[in-house]
Amino acid sequence: ETGVTQTPRHLVMGMTNKKSLKCEQHLGHNAMYWYKQSAKKPLELMFVYSLEERVENNSVPSRFSPECPNSSHLFLHLHTLQPEDSALYLCASSRGPGPTEQFFGPGTRLTVL
Amino acid sequence: RKEVEQDPGPFNVPEGATVAFNCTYSNSASQSFFWYRQDCRKEPKLLMSVYSSGNEDGRFTAQLNRASQYISLLIRDSKLSDSATYLCVGNAGNMLTFGGGTRLMVKP
Repeated sequence: ETGVTQTPRHLVMGMTNKKSLKCEQHLGHNAMYWYKQSAKKPLELMFVYSLEERVENNSVPSRFSPECPNSSHLFLHLHTLQPEDSALYLCASSRGPGPTEQFFGPGTRLTVL
Repeated sequence: RKEVEQDPGPFNVPEGATVAFNCTYSNSASQSFFWYRQDCRKEPKLLMSVYSSGNEDGRFTAQLNRASQYISLLIRDSKLSDSATYLCVGNAGNMLTFGGGTRLMVKP
């Protein structure tokens, strides 16, 4: 099983839709992350979970709502998004929440119309 | 000032060339550094960690210069398959901070 998986790989949604992104890690890691990558911008950290507890919320608008039901799964619930939210959303995991190597999933390419 | 800064490039080099990228970081307390590789429309993949003593992995050499607060990546004998964006990563406290990436294009 691939280390970190994400679904869907591509998503197109209207501004009034509600959708969810899913991430699953098979590496036995204890920390999971959501990043946003927009064109020509560095990766932006959105949320960090350590052992299912949110330890970082990087001033992300409330239209993005994370959920971590267990240490292997991470969701990002989306509602009333804006066109500027169109980006590649990457999930990552690491052994712990500290500054250790992170391993990324393939990402969900989101387009908001 | 950005926490981790890289020249975006692109660096266009012929196959077989040696190419080096530098990356500067602003947080003198940073302890962990990495280089990631990201292919077009794909996720970043860990290339190598950067240790104080420097480290080498085949054609790739990474070095850390704490006095000048930069890390470097040297690629020897470039291959066409090395064409990608290389992301420099440092830590700010417990979190990793990614640079904007340096794009490398290796041409025949």
